[in-house]
Amino acid sequence: EPEVTQTPSHQVTQMGQEVILRCVPISNHLYFYWYRQILGQKVEFLVSFYNNEISEKSEIFDDQFSVERPDGSNFTLKIRSTKLEDSAMYFCASRTGSSGANVLTFGAGSRLTVL
Amino acid sequence: QKEVEQDPGPLSVPEGAIVSLNCTYSNSAFQYFMWYRQYSRKGPELLMYTYSSGNKEDGRFTAQVDKSSKYISLFIRDSQPSDSATYLCAMSAGKGSTLGRLYFGRGTQLTVWP
Repeated sequence: EPEVTQTPSHQVTQMGQEVILRCVPISNHLYFYWYRQILGQKVEFLVSFYNNEISEKSEIFDDQFSVERPDGSNFTLKIRSTKLEDSAMYFCASRTGSSGANVLTFGAGSRLTVL
Repeated sequence: QKEVEQDPGPLSVPEGAIVSLNCTYSNSAFQYFMWYRQYSRKGPELLMYTYSSGNKEDGRFTAQVDKSSKYISLFIRDSQPSDSATYLCAMSAGKGSTLGRLYFGRGTQLTVWP
């Protein structure tokens, strides 16, 4: 069964450092997303990406965050200068472009720990 | 965020029990309703997907949506220890890429003991 692959599974970084989280969505999917889950809290939407541009972002997704699809397969989330409160599980998700089908497939997540 | 409310539990039941999980929501624009299962330190995995009101059944799982009450439910029949996980409700509105903007509940932690 096709899956969304995320790397790294766990990253530990110092506050103020840049972090890049990587995702390989399912190959025929057209819409890509990043979500995060702070320990014990809800899964929260960060950003959606379609046709090589951001289509929607939440208030969490400030100037410290950016996304990119550098080639035909990878989808990355960059945090420029990490803060303690960025510690969370980050999930990449993707879905097809089929009309009315908003079934998201999530990756296993990248755990980010900011010290 | 109060858009989607879900009792976090924990919920502990014996094997074979019927489990009922519920969420309420406030945004009447939500049209798509989902239940995800999440194992510890893993990504959410889709269990059930429903559009608008009504019931949907898949094996031991039944999802119900009551839009008039802004209330959704997931029933698990003949629960098994392998059903032990956190169950997340999620919902969305809109079209295009906003279809994938999901609003999640906090999740209910379920343990089914043998």
